[in-house]
Amino acid sequence: DGGITQSPKYLFRKEGQNVTLSCEQNLNHDAMYWYRQDPGQGLRLIYYSQIVNDFQKGDIAEGYSVSREKKESFPLTVTSAQKNPTAFYLCASGGSGELFFGEGSRLTVL
Amino acid sequence: AQSVSQHNHHVILSEAASLELGCNYSYGGTVNLFWYVQYPGQHLQLLLKYFSGDPLVKGIKGFEAEFIKSKFSFNLRKPSVQWSDTAEYFCAVTLSGGYNKLIFGAGTRLAVHP
Repeated sequence: DGGITQSPKYLFRKEGQNVTLSCEQNLNHDAMYWYRQDPGQGLRLIYYSQIVNDFQKGDIAEGYSVSREKKESFPLTVTSAQKNPTAFYLCASGGSGELFFGEGSRLTVL
Repeated sequence: AQSVSQHNHHVILSEAASLELGCNYSYGGTVNLFWYVQYPGQHLQLLLKYFSGDPLVKGIKGFEAEFIKSKFSFNLRKPSVQWSDTAEYFCAVTLSGGYNKLIFGAGTRLAVHP
C-alpha cells in the first residue's frame, strides 16, 4: 500500500539524549515535511524538504535537525537542545500544498 | 506573516444539529485552502480543498466549505452531524503554485453526543 510510515509510534527519552524519528514514503513525492502537534496549538512546521539533499527550516526548527539523502526518507533528530521535546510528531509528503500524513510518533521525555 | 485562525477551540453538538466551523486566514495573495480531519486514534486526512473555481466545495462525508475571498474565510459546514463526526478539525492554507509550506490553524475539537 502507498503511504507514509513513521517509526517508532511511541518513544521515551531521557533528558540530554538525542533521538531520531524515522519517516519513509512510497508515494514518489518530492516534498516532505515534519510537523509538531501540541494540544491547542495545531500543527507547527519544523522542517521541510522540496528535493533530495535540500531542506529548509520551518517555524520552530530550533533544537531539531533533518537530512534528506533519499527521496523516500526524511528522518528527524530531536536534539538535547530542544527545550520542550515532549510532543506528537507528524511527517507528511506531497506537493502543491496537499499533504498526506503518517500516523505520527509520540515522544515523551522523562 | 501568514496565519490561520480557527475561532472555536471546542464545539459540542447533539446528533442531527448543524455545524459551522470558522476559519480565517491572513494573506492577500492567491491561496489554496484545506480542511483536514483527525478522528480519534487515526492519522490526519484531507476532508476537502479549494484551489480555484466554484467557491463552494464539497468534501467527503457530507462536509462542504465556502471560500469568501472578501472575508478571507473558508468556513466548514455540515447540515446534520453524526456521532462519527467526533474529531479534531484543522483549517490550513498555502500559497498557490509550487511546493509551499502548509500553515495550520490551532484546530477545533468537535464532540457529537447521541
